[in-house]
Amino acid sequence: SQELEQSPQSLIVQEGKNLTINCTSSKTLYGLYWYKQKYGEGLIFLMMLQKGGEEKSHEKITAKLDEKKQQSSLHITASQPSHAGIYLCGAGLMDSNYQLIWGAGTKLIIKP
Amino acid sequence: SAVISQKPSRDICQRGTSLTIQCQVDSQVTMMFWYRQQPGQSLTLIATANQGSEATYESGFVIDKFPISRPNLTFSTLTVSNMSPEDSSIYLCSVVKLRGISYEQYFGPGTRLTVT
Repeated sequence: SQELEQSPQSLIVQEGKNLTINCTSSKTLYGLYWYKQKYGEGLIFLMMLQKGGEEKSHEKITAKLDEKKQQSSLHITASQPSHAGIYLCGAGLMDSNYQLIWGAGTKLIIKP
Repeated sequence: SAVISQKPSRDICQRGTSLTIQCQVDSQVTMMFWYRQQPGQSLTLIATANQGSEATYESGFVIDKFPISRPNLTFSTLTVSNMSPEDSSIYLCSVVKLRGISYEQYFGPGTRLTVT
């Protein structure tokens, strides 16, 4: 099983609606990263969260890390077609050597 | 930040041949990694490219199949040897830059490999 569970696997959302993607681990995470990938392209860094309870926003995307540092959510407000793509969460483990574990990704489709 | 370039951006190769992918970073970085993303799957770490020594491979990946070089702190190559259709993937170079007690990880644009 994945060390980092990401849900949902796919999401179809009407343009203008809000949505949330979750990323959960049974272990304490050191650094939680959110990336976006468009088909055939490399990963685009969105945000990194490190402290328990931390929240960051960029444009219409907000990411939070829970106090226990085991769960993160990515929230998009008033979705737009440009938000479509695959969202990946990655995180470092306390005993890792800067290497990340990854969720399986969430495919987001925005319906006009 | 770090700007990473990869060459080639894509290639179509015949079964049994080898392809070397280059990764160039615009600044010195602490660590460089090579990842593979097979169609419909998430990223899988192949190995850590160590400067001046042999790469550290993850379970399921071996040096004979994926030889890696890292001659300096800004450049690395990954070779996919004796290719088969199962090697068709996007191969991504990634780097880590330390930020005090924290770090940031960046990814190259990827090399899309198709093996026929």
